[in-house]
Amino acid sequence: GDSVTQMEGPVTLSEEAFLTINCTYTATGYPSLFWYVQYPGEGLQLLLKATKADDKGSNKGFEATYRKETTSFHLEKGSVQVSDSAVYFCALFMEYGNKLVFGAGTILRVKS
Amino acid sequence: EPEVTQTPSHQVTQMGQEVILRCVPISNHLYFYWYRQILGQKVEFLVSFYNNEISEKSEIFDDQFSVERPDGSNFTLKIRSTKLEDSAMYFCASSTGTEVSPLHFGNGTRLTVT
Repeated sequence: GDSVTQMEGPVTLSEEAFLTINCTYTATGYPSLFWYVQYPGEGLQLLLKATKADDKGSNKGFEATYRKETTSFHLEKGSVQVSDSAVYFCALFMEYGNKLVFGAGTILRVKS
Repeated sequence: EPEVTQTPSHQVTQMGQEVILRCVPISNHLYFYWYRQILGQKVEFLVSFYNNEISEKSEIFDDQFSVERPDGSNFTLKIRSTKLEDSAMYFCASSTGTEVSPLHFGNGTRLTVT
């Protein structure tokens, strides 16, 4: 079945460090890909998305590029802030399944 | 910006009791979902709902669970006889159902079964 694999956390970085959170997927078709973020005590917020190969999603300094050849959608940010501390979920959406399939989530901790 | 709202934010119940979790999806959305997140674990799909019927459900969504859209605005999840392992955060989501439409999530209801 369709699945998403994320790098295990927690990831601990100092402020202004470069962030990469790896995400790879398995799907029989061509999914849309998403990153959601969950801040402490809050719900899931859409961070960015990409709907086809080579698309780049971006928001709030975060970026991810849909790579069909490596079935990946890695999340990057050039300079993290303490306020970026949260859990980040990679997810795919297949139209035929009409549901989001989430990865396990990666905890990010940014120290000042 | 329109939001998905969920009530209550926290529900405590005794094992064996029935609970109803409530959600108000975004008004022009057509697809509705329930997900759950057991503490520290992944976000799991429970059920999707479209056109007044379940379109897909996971193996977690057994006979103890049911969903309903009792009027034009609410979407509810009922657990008939709660078990300790039902303790989790339950998220409601909605979408327009277009190919590239993301799901919009509520802030969740934390269910604690004692």
